[in-house]
Order: sequence, then C-alpha cells, then structure tokens
Amino acid sequence: AQKVTQAQTEISVVEKEDVTLDCVYETRDTTYYLFWYKQPPSGELVFLIRRNSFDEQNEISGRYSWNFQKSTSSFNFTITASQVVDSAVYFCALKPWAGNMLTFGGGTRLMVKP
Amino acid sequence: ETGVTQTPRHLVMGMTNKKSLKCEQHLGHNAMYWYKQSAKKPLELMFVYNFKEQTENNSVPSRFSPECPNSSHLFLHLHTLQPEDSALYLCASSPGGVQSGGTQETQYFGPGTRLLVL
Repeated sequence: AQKVTQAQTEISVVEKEDVTLDCVYETRDTTYYLFWYKQPPSGELVFLIRRNSFDEQNEISGRYSWNFQKSTSSFNFTITASQVVDSAVYFCALKPWAGNMLTFGGGTRLMVKP
Repeated sequence: ETGVTQTPRHLVMGMTNKKSLKCEQHLGHNAMYWYKQSAKKPLELMFVYNFKEQTENNSVPSRFSPECPNSSHLFLHLHTLQPEDSALYLCASSPGGVQSGGTQETQYFGPGTRLLVL
C-alpha cells in the first residue's frame, strides 16, 4: 500500500521568509513518481513538479526548490522569500510507475502574511 | 479554451434531484479522472478512464455514475445523493496511452465543481 504524509497541516509565515513543506511517503515499489501540487482558494490543483524515483537530483525553479531524499523517503518543498500569492494548500502525491493511481497527502495550508 | 474545464462551478441540489457534472479537456489526453475532495479527508480518486474505458472504480457508491463518451469529455451523473456527498469534485486528465514515463504521467486538474447537497 502507498501512503503520503504531510505532517504540517498549517504553516503561517511573514512575507519574505523561507518556508519548507515536508512530505514523507511509503511505497514498496522501487520505481515511482512524486508530485507537488498547489491549490489556491479558487480550488484548482496546479501542477508544480514531477520527480522520478531514479532521479535524485534536487531541482530549483525560481523561488521554488525541491529536495528528494530516497534514503529517508522524503520529498520536501522549499519556497524562498515567500510572497502573499504563495498562500494556498500544497499537496504532495505519489504514483507507482505503472498505473494511474495518485495517492495524495493530506495537504499543508500555507499562509503568507504581509 | 485551454486546459481542463468543469461545469458547473457551483451546484446546490436536494437529495431527490438528478444532476450531472461535466468535464472537458483540451489537451489531447487519453486518460480522465474524477476525484472527491471533502473538508476533512484527503483527495480521493473515484474513477479513471483510459481511452474511454473505465479502468478504476474506487468503491464508489452507485449514486455516482460516470460516463465518458470520448477522450475529451467526462461526466459524473448524480442521483439521490446524501448530505455527506457535499464536496469539491475535481476532474483531471493525463496523456495516458502507452507508458513511456515522464510527461505521460502528470495529471492536470480542472477548477472543480463545489457541490452542496441539502
């Protein structure tokens, strides 16, 4: 069985602070995909990143960066110099190599205050 | 129009009503999905269609009936719902098809239909 845990249900920061959202997963598969999605108040899940389990290179995209550690089954997401527009619920998700089943974590609500 | 669209965006219905949710994707994808997002539960996958064929039914009650007439359209027909069915219903699509990894695997979501059952 697959499981994704986002232990932080809610985080509040002040604008320009850095913030890290944690994601820990469980799977028996040796190859799989990991994802992060952003859900603003409008409701739509916006795709942010996909990682393959065999590619452990960390990735940076503007103010966003992701740290994939296969040894600890973690895929953490850091926002540098947070902005009010970053306020949203962020979901981490896991998908096996074969099949369509995405398993989501419970989400982390990030509130960035001006 | 681009991406994944859903109509209506908001819906209020009584327990005896029959209504349908519509999803349309303009991405040329071959797989489509229905998810349910309740206030206090993680996102739950309901149904998966690949090339118009249902490939997953995640133990969803029969009062929810999906329909996929073609790879671009997906419906969720609702009848005799319960108040606990009130939730945000999200549609998604992915390229699907022959698995080659990478971009075939990413699901793109619509804005959702916020459903209230009275």
